[in-house]
Amino acid sequence: EIVMTQSPATLSVSPGERATLSCRASQSVSSHLAWYQQKPGQAPRLLMYGASTRATGIPARFSGSGSATDFTLTISSLQSEDFAVYYCQQYNDWPLTFGGGTKVEI
Amino acid sequence: EVQLLESGGGLVQPGGSLRLSCAASGFTFSNYAMAWVRQAPGKGLEWVSNIDGNAGATYYADSVKGRFTISRDNSRNTLYLQMNSLRAEDTALYYCAKRIGGSGYTNYFDYWGQGTLVTVSS
Repeated sequence: EIVMTQSPATLSVSPGERATLSCRASQSVSSHLAWYQQKPGQAPRLLMYGASTRATGIPARFSGSGSATDFTLTISSLQSEDFAVYYCQQYNDWPLTFGGGTKVEI
Repeated sequence: EVQLLESGGGLVQPGGSLRLSCAASGFTFSNYAMAWVRQAPGKGLEWVSNIDGNAGATYYADSVKGRFTISRDNSRNTLYLQMNSLRAEDTALYYCAKRIGGSGYTNYFDYWGQGTLVTVSS
């Protein structure tokens, strides 16, 4: 099983600042990596797939990078609606696995 | 508009069974693989199971293999999860999720339901 490790667990950022979230895979997943955003009481929302492709309707302030084992999600200028928990997910192999999440808080 | 509506959750004793349903609308259900993903209270996401659009292939997390069965009825646009031999650690919010279209490496999810809560406790 591919283990996905996200860091930090919690990221404290002020509105307007840049946030950088990390996701590391225990073995190569190529670029088969997705990011999701989850707000309290809501279902996850797809942000990014293919490591760096924004999903439909996702603002340009979200960007993804990386390949193989190391990935980054960057939010260039945090808006109030961006405070949430972010999960990475690999889909290179079965079983599909998620990271433990990074909570972005004010 | 894509909609996924889960139902069937509730309180069940350890060792018991439950069947979850997910009613889908707004897309051609039979064309898409579907999945169940769960989230224990206050915890992260855990993939549970996938089923291909034609119900030909199914996949399971080791934690549920042999106890859970995913199925679908394309005539009713409904996804199911039969859960047997339930354990306390199966307590979670269970989400139904739609896989994106296409072939190849596409096992990520563009639409999610709001979830149905399963509580396993005596």
